[in-house]
Amino acid sequence: NAGVTQTPKFRVLKTGQSMTLLCAQDMNHEYMYWYRQDPGMGLRLIHYSVGEGTTAKGEVPDGYNVSRLKKQNFLLGLESAAPSQTSVYFCASSGGENIQYFGAGTRLSVL
Amino acid sequence: GESVGLHLPTLSVQEGDNSIINCAYSNSASDYFIWYKQESGKGPQFIIDIRSNMDKRQGQRVTVLLNKTVKHLSLQIAATQPGDSAVYFCAEIPYNFNKFYFGSGTKLNVKP
Repeated sequence: NAGVTQTPKFRVLKTGQSMTLLCAQDMNHEYMYWYRQDPGMGLRLIHYSVGEGTTAKGEVPDGYNVSRLKKQNFLLGLESAAPSQTSVYFCASSGGENIQYFGAGTRLSVL
Repeated sequence: GESVGLHLPTLSVQEGDNSIINCAYSNSASDYFIWYKQESGKGPQFIIDIRSNMDKRQGQRVTVLLNKTVKHLSLQIAATQPGDSAVYFCAEIPYNFNKFYFGSGTKLNVKP
């Protein structure tokens, strides 16, 4: 059982480039989340979704967009990458039982 | 190397000793609390949870204590092993369960 899968695992971008991070879960979970994790800080919620076709802003949504066209996938987009978006990005999903299951992370560097 | 553990409070313990990791939460209305373990290069993993109507819950080698009066949560690990070395952080969840609020974490180093 794969659980939560994030692609890619690593990426280096130049300032101004765009990219999409993909999160896929095979647990039929309703809720999905995107977080960023920076040194010395806790996970900060970027955007989340409570079901297919829905998205909502989290704590730090600026500079990011998301889409949840299929229940199993949650995409995070950076339209014009900035060095401040260098971070480790984690996707998580939850079936409503209060436990979030996390992917292995995507390490993004913006030069 | 993994940058997650930089600038975090660090707890160093000897293998076989018990470890106590603390967390202060901010919202007195939080209804549910979870401890996560994050090993280097990996995503967070669920360890144990506790509801606000409880003050103690035990798992395998782990115990979580909740003190709502001072808004404090602790994770106790018995007979700490090298495999327990990781960053541990707590999460508080309000009653609607839509969002989790994570602490910044404590790095646990287990010395053989």
